[in-house]
Amino acid sequence: DTGVSQDPRHKITKRGQNVTFRCDPISEHNRLYWYRQTLGQGPEFLTYFQNEAQLEKSRLLSDRFSAERPKGSFSTLEIQRTEQGDSAMYLCAGSTGTGANVLTFGAGSRLTVL
Amino acid sequence: TQLLEQSPQFLSIQEGENLTVYCNSSSVFSSLQWYRQEPGEGPVLLVTVVTGGEVKKLKRLTFQFGDARKDSSLHITAAQPGDTGLYLCAGELPNDYKLSFGAGTTVTVRA
Repeated sequence: DTGVSQDPRHKITKRGQNVTFRCDPISEHNRLYWYRQTLGQGPEFLTYFQNEAQLEKSRLLSDRFSAERPKGSFSTLEIQRTEQGDSAMYLCAGSTGTGANVLTFGAGSRLTVL
Repeated sequence: TQLLEQSPQFLSIQEGENLTVYCNSSSVFSSLQWYRQEPGEGPVLLVTVVTGGEVKKLKRLTFQFGDARKDSSLHITAAQPGDTGLYLCAGELPNDYKLSFGAGTTVTVRA
């Protein structure tokens, strides 16, 4: 148990549908990150929050993607009008923001867009 | 172009053999981390190195951070099937709050 929970673990959807993923970090995680990982690749940064503030978004994050962390605790990542190219593992990670920026990852949410 | 280049991309060895994975960049990092990931799971931290020239040992795993803090290596001695997985290096640039990952090295240790 890594302490970071992601839900759902798997999601299969049809192209054009909206999907939402949820991440629950541990309470000490001031920073929360979203990464995307495709098969055979390392995780690619999407966005991160310091408490409830979204401080950086990657250019990978098109306007179909939106992320929130309303009370500085859990976070959601929504993808609107999904495309087949959105199929990937979406990883959430938290860090305490002290010392070296060590990330604790959740198990990920795998999205398949048909 | 990736900030961190890992090599090799794939490595398949027999149980008991040694292996080395490399992580290179032209950028200087304030810290470099190694993670291991199993299929269907998130990456799990193995080690963090922060000082140029630093060497850390974790049982049969030895991690080195280059003197200039631009590169790193992971050496596994007497590999076991349980070492099988995707090994990822990740760097933290100065004054940046995110990690940039390499593409990973898939290690398979055959019994």
